[in-house]
Amino acid sequence: AQSVAQPEDQVNVAEGNPLTVKCTYSVSGNPYLFWYVQYPNRGLQFLLKYITGDNLVKGSYGFEAEFNKSQTSFHLKKPSALVSDSALYFCAVRLINTGTASKLTFGTGTRLQVTL
Amino acid sequence: EAQVTQNPRYLITVTGKKLTVTCSQNMNHEYMSWYRQDPGLGLRQIYYSMNVEVTDKGDVPEGYKVSRKEKRNFPLILESPSPNQTSLYFCASIRDVRSYNEQFFGPGTRLTVL
Repeated sequence: AQSVAQPEDQVNVAEGNPLTVKCTYSVSGNPYLFWYVQYPNRGLQFLLKYITGDNLVKGSYGFEAEFNKSQTSFHLKKPSALVSDSALYFCAVRLINTGTASKLTFGTGTRLQVTL
Repeated sequence: EAQVTQNPRYLITVTGKKLTVTCSQNMNHEYMSWYRQDPGLGLRQIYYSMNVEVTDKGDVPEGYKVSRKEKRNFPLILESPSPNQTSLYFCASIRDVRSYNEQFFGPGTRLTVL
């Protein structure tokens, strides 16, 4: 079975400071990892993904994430937070098996609050 | 514009009154899926469809039905809704099961069952 853990329900950051939203995963095989963001009253928007290659992945709105295989982590980062980054962030993992569906397993979400 | 649409966006209903939430995508995607989002639980998959006339249960299928008669549409049916189905529902699609791409999500349907 595959699972994702987001250990923090909420992360508070001052605008201009760096932010990190944590994610760890458990999967048998090679993981495909994703970050999505959900703004109030909106659907989920794709931020970035790791499939293979460089462990540091860059995505939308200045976000990046670092894949760490030994720690089974995929933490989301941004060098300088903006108030407009305040939203709910979901980490997700996927395992593609031949003949089965592409199951996406989500973490429970982390609410990011950026204040002035 | 490539998108996934859902209707209605908001729905308040009563226990036992059958309802359907529609989902449509215009990207010719083979794979479609329904999720429900609940506080502290993240998103959980209800049903998915790998192609027309091919559907299967996700993690929380009880109380739901789906159909996939056309490639673009994947309606979610609640035959006899109950209060524990009050939730935020998302439809999503992806080109095919082997695709490494991200899933496209609809805007969500907030359902309240009284």
